[in-house]
Amino acid sequence: DIQMTQSPSSLSASVGDRVTITCRASESISSHLNWYQQKPEKAPKLLIYAASSLQGGVPPRFTGSGFGTDFTLTISSLQPEDFATYYCQQGNSAPRTFGQGTKVEIK
Amino acid sequence: QLQLRESGPGLVKPSETLSLTCAVSGGSITSDLYYWAWIRQPPGKGLEWIGSINYSGDTYYNPSLKSRVTVSVDTSKNQFSLRLSSVTAADTAVYYCATILFRISSSPLDSWGQGTLVTVSS
Repeated sequence: DIQMTQSPSSLSASVGDRVTITCRASESISSHLNWYQQKPEKAPKLLIYAASSLQGGVPPRFTGSGFGTDFTLTISSLQPEDFATYYCQQGNSAPRTFGQGTKVEIK
Repeated sequence: QLQLRESGPGLVKPSETLSLTCAVSGGSITSDLYYWAWIRQPPGKGLEWIGSINYSGDTYYNPSLKSRVTVSVDTSKNQFSLRLSSVTAADTAVYYCATILFRISSSPLDSWGQGTLVTVSS
């Protein structure tokens, strides 16, 4: 199985901050990487697919980049509604696997 | 966007079979735009892919669960189902159904159900 490792596991930030979350795959997954946002007691929501494509309706302050084994999710200016847990997921090979999550908390 | 809703017992006894259904609205379960997936999340933990099925009935199961999992489609009811046998406390989780946009290279999970908590306990 491809292991997905996110860093950090949690972070504290203020509204307006630029936030970067990293996801590393244990082997190359090309650009087959998705990012999700999950708020408490809610289902995950697709933010970014194919490493850098923004899902419809997602604000442009969310950007994704990367290829191969190293990927990043950046929130350019953190908003109150962005405090949540973020997961990466590889769609390159079976079984699909997720990172362990990064919890973004209010400083 | 499709709407999905999970249903099934919230409490299952150890060694018994967990059965859940995902009702699909706003589109057809036989659509060739989607595959259909089950994902679970133990309380306070991360996400785990359980299995998936396509419009032709082809299935894929996570090898870690393969011996206990069955995913099936009921086209007459526009729904798909999950069966997980011989459950233990480790299977306690929120279970989600979701659509897979398989025509996109990274096969993202687009629409999700609201999730249903299944507790395994005697």
